[in-house]
Amino acid sequence: ILNVEQSPQSLHVQEGDSTNFTCSFPSSNFYALHWYRWETAKSPEALFVMTLNGDEKKKGRISATLNTKEGYSYLYIKGSQPEDSATYLCAFHMKTSYDKVIFGPGTSLSVIP
Amino acid sequence: NAGVTQTPKFRVLKTGQSMTLLCAQDMNHEYMYWYRQDPGMGLRLIHYSVGEGTTAKGEVPDGYNVSRLKKQNFLLGLESAAPSQTSVYFCASSYSTRVGANVLTFGAGSRLTVL
Repeated sequence: ILNVEQSPQSLHVQEGDSTNFTCSFPSSNFYALHWYRWETAKSPEALFVMTLNGDEKKKGRISATLNTKEGYSYLYIKGSQPEDSATYLCAFHMKTSYDKVIFGPGTSLSVIP
Repeated sequence: NAGVTQTPKFRVLKTGQSMTLLCAQDMNHEYMYWYRQDPGMGLRLIHYSVGEGTTAKGEVPDGYNVSRLKKQNFLLGLESAAPSQTSVYFCASSYSTRVGANVLTFGAGSRLTVL
């Protein structure tokens, strides 16, 4: 059983707060990790593709880091805005079966104006 | 710019009925996936395909069958629907598994209710 975990399950922050959440995955079988943003009533959309230990990616106020040796990735949102409210999913690609894409359960973020 | 199209968008079935969900993509993607979304469980992989004529099992394949007779289409079948299969189903596709090219493009989802 492949365990891709995310924490916390949900998060409520005030507008302007910065926040972060975690995706953990099996470090021994790592190929790539993706982050997706999923707004209510829409389809998931890709944010970042991460492949190398120490990778840091940034898109506007959102950034992500990757530690493949210990099996985790952090997603950061600086100065949260109401439009950041969404579920954030990480997706894990295994080295031994990299065509099989396994998602974590997601972190649901609500930004209160 | 159709991308990934799922039909139908909504369906209500009685226990024991059968149905097929169709996923069509116009991006010439090699890889296609079917996921189900349940509260608190994110997206769970049902079956996937790495090319025309191929299919493989995902995390939760039981009760479902798939076929990929044409590159652009990936069908998900329920032979005998059960209430536990009430869910929202998402189809996704990607160009390849080469890193950077394997970002998934998702359809809008199909909501299935089994009574």
